[in-house]
Order: sequence, then structure tokens, then C-alpha cells
Amino acid sequence: GQQVMQIPQYQHVQEGEDFTTYCNSSTTLSNIQWYKQRPGGHPVFLIQLVKSGEVKKQKRLTFQFGEAKKNSSLHITATQTTDVGTYFCARETTDSWGKLQFGAGTQVVVTP
Amino acid sequence: SQTIHQWPATLVQPVGSPLSLECTVEGTSNPNLYWYRQAAGRGLQLLFYSVGIGQISSEVPQNLSASRPQDRQFILSSKKLLLSDSGFYLCAWTMNTEAFFGQGTRLTVV
Repeated sequence: GQQVMQIPQYQHVQEGEDFTTYCNSSTTLSNIQWYKQRPGGHPVFLIQLVKSGEVKKQKRLTFQFGEAKKNSSLHITATQTTDVGTYFCARETTDSWGKLQFGAGTQVVVTP
Repeated sequence: SQTIHQWPATLVQPVGSPLSLECTVEGTSNPNLYWYRQAAGRGLQLLFYSVGIGQISSEVPQNLSASRPQDRQFILSSKKLLLSDSGFYLCAWTMNTEAFFGQGTRLTVV
């Protein structure tokens, strides 16, 4: 199908450490989006990647789109307690509807 | 600016009772609208998708239905709720593929 696979499912991080979460697809993606959902909240858009090999940064967050446009990663440096939440990647399906399909998410827990 | 309203925020309903969740969007016309469901600690399951009035795509066969009676109104319904319908229901609309979510409705079926 057109699902995207996210790994790891859970990530426990010590405050100050770095971590990376990955999003993989078996088919070429037209674009990939990343969202963050805080505990008890709703998903909030972070960024969209469109170009092959694209790298975008938002403060301590670095987003990368693979050269083959089949995978993406989110790297967070010097993790803070405010980074707690679930990070989702999402793709647009290639059918005529262009629906937005989400990965299962990476749940991040930060320990002080 | 565009805003999305979803209500109620929480709902406790008995098994077998009907359901109606409403979502409205302001500040845009002809939005693509979505209903997602999220089980506790899980990902977002796409339930319904609409590109216009009366145009609904159902993603997963289930006990729910959706309607779009007006351009900026999307309604999720059930005639008889099941225990398995419990979850966090999110309405969303997209602009240039970016999705904007409502605050969500936390439904508990008892």
C-alpha cells in the first residue's frame, strides 16, 4: 500500500542527548511532511520536504529527504523536555484524491 | 485567517447510542476535509475524506459514516456506537497539502 513506516515506535531520550526518527516508504514520495503532537493535544504541522536530498532546519530540529525520495528523517539535537510528544510523518497518496496518510508515529519521552 | 472548530471536546456515550460530531472551517472555501481516529498511544487512522459537498471517500469499513452538507461543514455519525468506537477523533483540512487539525473529540463508549 501507500503507508509510510516510522521507526522507532518509542524513543526514551536523556535530556541533552540527540536522537533521530526515521520514515520509510516502499514507493517514491512526491513530498513528505512532519507533524508533532504533544500529549493530549492535536498534531501540528512542522515542515514539508519536496526536493530530493532536501535538508531543512528549525532550531534544534533537522529534517532530511532522501535522494531517492523514499525516506526521511528528523534529527533533534540537545533534546529538551519541550520535545516530548509524538512525531508523525505523512505522505500524500498518488491517487486522484491526494489523501494525507500518516505514519504510526514515534513517541518521544525525555528524562531530565 | 483560517480556523477549524470541532466539538464537543469530550464525550461519553453508552453502547448502542447514536453519535454526531461536527467540524466547521472558517476563512477558506472548498477545503479538503478529513476525519481521523487515534486510539490511545497509536497513530492516525484516516476514516473519511471529502473534496466537496456530498463527495465522501470512506477509507475503512466500519460503524461510522460521514456527511458534508455544506462546503465548510463535515459531520461524523454513527447510528449505534460500539465499544471499539472509543478513541480520539480529529477533523482536519488541508491547504497546499499542509494539514490543520481541530482540537479533537475524545469519545469514550461505555
